Amino acid sequence: GENVEQHPSTLSVQEGDSAVIKCTYSDSASNYFPWYKQELGKRPQLIIDIRSNVGEKKDQRIAVTLNKTAKHFSLHITETQPEDSAVYFCAAGGGNYQLIWGAGTKLIIKP
Amino acid sequence: GAVVSQHPSWVICKSGTSVKIECRSLDFQATTMFWYRQFPKQSLMLMATSNEGSKATYEQGVEKDKFLINHASLTLSTLTVTSAHPEDSSFYICSARDGRSIQYFGAGTRLSVL
Repeated sequence: GENVEQHPSTLSVQEGDSAVIKCTYSDSASNYFPWYKQELGKRPQLIIDIRSNVGEKKDQRIAVTLNKTAKHFSLHITETQPEDSAVYFCAAGGGNYQLIWGAGTKLIIKP
Repeated sequence: GAVVSQHPSWVICKSGTSVKIECRSLDFQATTMFWYRQFPKQSLMLMATSNEGSKATYEQGVEKDKFLINHASLTLSTLTVTSAHPEDSSFYICSARDGRSIQYFGAGTRLSVL
């Protein structure tokens, strides 16, 4: 079946540095790729998403890139801050509106 | 952004009893809602897709007679865990999809079965 692989599972970066999380998907029909941030004990929150008609999208310190040919997409966080510490999930969705989720990346920002 | 309310946030019940969890979209209509189960330090495991006015679609391995889903209106879906057992203890979380296919999550329900 369809799956989404997410790497790394844990990422530790120095405050102020950049963080990159990568995902690959298997279903070529996928056309919607959201990223969610889940802080400890809280609900997942959408932080950015991209649809298949664009290759890159940016929102302040957060950006997502999509390579449809290679079937992978990445989350980039620049100038990381302590409040960026959380678990980040990628997902891929298609016409049936379901999302296939990555396993998550625990991002640790070291002061 | 859109708001999804989920209740209760935490419930403790005795083994063999049933527990109902509600998921409401407060400021938008959701023809589709999703129910997930999340284990500690793990990803979201989709249990079922709840469709307004029709039967839910369950993922492989999820017992539909044990996890009853009702989506009676465009703003409410309920998940009932029937005859709960300790192995059903988990974090259950719902989401509602808006017209742009964005999923907004409830705050989750922590179920503890004694």
